[in-house]
Amino acid sequence: AQTVTQSQPEMSVQEAETVTLSCTYDTSESDYYLFWYKQPPSRQMILVIRQEAYKQQNATENRFSVNFQKAAKSFSLKISDSQLGDAAMYFCAYRSAKGNKLVFGAGTILRVKS
Amino acid sequence: DGGITQSPKYLFRKEGQNVTLSCEQNLNHDAMYWYRQDPGQGLRLIYYSQIVNDFQKGDIAEGYSVSREKKESFPLTVTSAQKNPTAFYLCASSISPRGSVHFGAGTRLSVL
Repeated sequence: AQTVTQSQPEMSVQEAETVTLSCTYDTSESDYYLFWYKQPPSRQMILVIRQEAYKQQNATENRFSVNFQKAAKSFSLKISDSQLGDAAMYFCAYRSAKGNKLVFGAGTILRVKS
Repeated sequence: DGGITQSPKYLFRKEGQNVTLSCEQNLNHDAMYWYRQDPGQGLRLIYYSQIVNDFQKGDIAEGYSVSREKKESFPLTVTSAQKNPTAFYLCASSISPRGSVHFGAGTRLSVL
């Protein structure tokens, strides 16, 4: 079974600085998708970024980018120019290309200091 | 606006009572999911459905039941057999196994 591990329960960053959230996963499959979701205090799950395993290029969405290391099974999220609105719980998730369900990590709470 | 609507936002259950959480989507997505989130934890899959009239158990299906009679709707019933139902419940959908998964706003269920 696939597993997703987020080793940082909490992280803090100063406003306007850069922070990296870590995620590792375990799978025997070669075709899959990886995601980062943001859950603010409203608890709405918001898709931040998506990476297809067959793509070597790292995905980027504005201030959010990933470092996808397929051989190391690592998928970190970098947030540049951090803003107060980035404060939230961040979840890393895995989805097999064959299956349907998302497998989530335990989450990392990100605090942004002004 | 297209999206996933969950209702109610807050729900209270009495001992021995069954309660049903509603999930409706107008995104024309084939697949729908129910997840449970406990405080400070990640999401765990309860049930999922890939097409109408078909659904599969997830990792924590005991004490829950679902139906998928219409493409747009995937209600979740929390039965009296679920001994610890207090949690935040999230419904989600995706257009296909390769599509991104989108979530509703959630329902918070508490026991009276």
